[in-house]
Amino acid sequence: AQRVTQPEKLLSVFKGAPVELKCNYSYSGSPELFWYVQYSRQRLQLLLRHISRESIKGFTADLNKGETSFHLKKPFAQEEDSAMYYCALGGSGNTPLVFGKGTRLSVIA
Amino acid sequence: DTAVSQTPKYLVTQMGNDKSIKCEQNLGHDTMYWYKQDSKKFLKIMFSYNNKELIINETVPNRFSPKSPDKAHLNLHINSLELGDSAVYFCASRAQGIGNTIYFGEGSWLTVV
Repeated sequence: AQRVTQPEKLLSVFKGAPVELKCNYSYSGSPELFWYVQYSRQRLQLLLRHISRESIKGFTADLNKGETSFHLKKPFAQEEDSAMYYCALGGSGNTPLVFGKGTRLSVIA
Repeated sequence: DTAVSQTPKYLVTQMGNDKSIKCEQNLGHDTMYWYKQDSKKFLKIMFSYNNKELIINETVPNRFSPKSPDKAHLNLHINSLELGDSAVYFCASRAQGIGNTIYFGEGSWLTVV
């Protein structure tokens, strides 16, 4: 069974501080990992996916298969980063993404 | 151009009523989904359709009935609405292939009073 764990419900950091949003997954197959962001009362938007190893808005995430983790990091938080962040796990084919419970990031000025 | 659009965005209705939420995607994707986001912001898959066929039906009450008239549309009909149905419902679509992104609609805020 697919499972995604985001242990922190809320993470508050000061502007300019580093951010790490934790995500661990459980999946027997070859995982596809994503990070989605949801700003207040808006749709979920893709932030990152592990397969493309990109950096969006200063965020990066590395898939660690040994630790089954896909933590999201940013060296210097900005106020506009305040949002809900969801880690998501997909399998092959048409399997829908399974989402973690989300972490609310609050960046304090 | 909105890739995944859903209507209505806001819906307030009384218990016991029947309502529908419509979803359309113009991305040419084969797969569409309905997700429910509850008051705690948890996101759960409800249904998954591929080329108009139901693939996944999670443990959702049978008062919820999805309908896909063609692969660009996936509507959600809800009978006999209950207070606990109040949530945000997100439609989404995805292309075939590894690592393909799911695109979400803006959400439909349903409040049952």
